[in-house]
Amino acid sequence: SQELEQSPQSLIVQEGKNLTINCTSSKTLYGLYWYKQKYGEGLIFLMMLQKGGEEKSHEKITAKLDEKKQQSSLHITASQPSHAGIYLCGAAQSYNTDKLIFGTGTRLQVFP
Amino acid sequence: DAGVIQSPRHEVTEMGQEVTLRCKPISGHNSLFWYRQTMMRGLELLIYFNNNVPIDDSGMPEDRFSAKMPNASFSTLKIQPSEPRDSAVYFCASSTTGQNTGELFFGEGSRLTVL
Repeated sequence: SQELEQSPQSLIVQEGKNLTINCTSSKTLYGLYWYKQKYGEGLIFLMMLQKGGEEKSHEKITAKLDEKKQQSSLHITASQPSHAGIYLCGAAQSYNTDKLIFGTGTRLQVFP
Repeated sequence: DAGVIQSPRHEVTEMGQEVTLRCKPISGHNSLFWYRQTMMRGLELLIYFNNNVPIDDSGMPEDRFSAKMPNASFSTLKIQPSEPRDSAVYFCASSTTGQNTGELFFGEGSRLTVL
């Protein structure tokens, strides 16, 4: 079965700093999805990547899918306290499905 | 618009008791997912419904767990009998199949504590 490993597991950064979260899959990705979870709440969809080399941005968050489609990175520029939460990557089991498995998550804290 | 609605938000029960978690998906969505989140195992997919039919229940831990979707606007996840290791946050999510956006809409979760 497919597994997603995220690194680091947790991250504490000062406001204004840049940071990167990585997600590595044990199998080729049909689609890679990034979600954010605020403490005590459900997950919120950030973006989806499908093509090797694809890059997408949402506000100050940029995600990339590598050419071999087995790794993705999420980069936050000039972090803010509002970026704090748990970031999870998700993978589709095949094309044209919304059935996702998720990585273990990266817990981000941003202090002033 | 109302999002995915889950109830109860918090449940504390004793080992051996029956627990029923409820979910109302977003109107018009035809896929529904139940996930379980723990510190140790992260977010695990338990079961997936499409058009009210269970498509994949390979993630259901054991026979103590059962899920139903009697209609497009309601689903339940039942644990009977409950055990302390079932303590977790249970999430329900819904989506529109075929959109291939990967965008699942999650409820706020039901936090279950089994003593």
